[in-house]
Amino acid sequence: KQEVTQIPAALSVPEGENLVLNCSFTDSAIYNLQWFRQDPGKGLTSLLLIQSSQREQTSGRLNASLDKSSGRSTLYIAASQPGDSATYLCAVPNNAGNMLTFGGGTRLMVKP
Amino acid sequence: DTAVSQTPKYLVTQMGNDKSIKCEQNLGHDTMYWYKQDSKKFLKIMFSYNNKELIINETVPNRFSPKSPDKAHLNLHINSLELGDSAVYFCASSLLGLAGATIEQYFGPGTRLTVT
Repeated sequence: KQEVTQIPAALSVPEGENLVLNCSFTDSAIYNLQWFRQDPGKGLTSLLLIQSSQREQTSGRLNASLDKSSGRSTLYIAASQPGDSATYLCAVPNNAGNMLTFGGGTRLMVKP
Repeated sequence: DTAVSQTPKYLVTQMGNDKSIKCEQNLGHDTMYWYKQDSKKFLKIMFSYNNKELIINETVPNRFSPKSPDKAHLNLHINSLELGDSAVYFCASSLLGLAGATIEQYFGPGTRLTVT
């Protein structure tokens, strides 16, 4: 059974820092990996979807990398801003692609 | 413009009551999902429907009964509510491609259910 873990569970940084969020999964036979952002009391916003054939995916200040063989993905946030404060979740689909298994999330606080 | 919408946004009710949460998507997707996010913020799949047919039921109590009247709607009815049902319930949708295809899921804003 797929298990997804995110480290750290919480992170507090001053504005302007570059930071890395980690996601690991136990079954490396995945087709893609999705990173989401969740603001307090809100739904999930998809940030990046990285295919298993890709090693990286970029959107603005966000860069996601995927290393299937080691069961790891990282989300790199450049020049962090207070508006980046949220919980970041990674998720992988099952083999049939019809459900996602989520990590526990990393709660990020960027201080001005 | 809303892609995946849920109603109500908040629901406060007493133990033993029956309640429903509605979900609609206007993305033309063929697959819809219900997820539960507990107090520790863990998100877990509950149900998945493809073209109105149930394809996943992840050991959810029989008190939970999803209903999909058409591809754009997936409602969740809960009977005999218990304290432990308090959580945020998220609806999502996607296209279900062949294995290996891109399956990006889009989520609704969530329904915060509080059972007292």
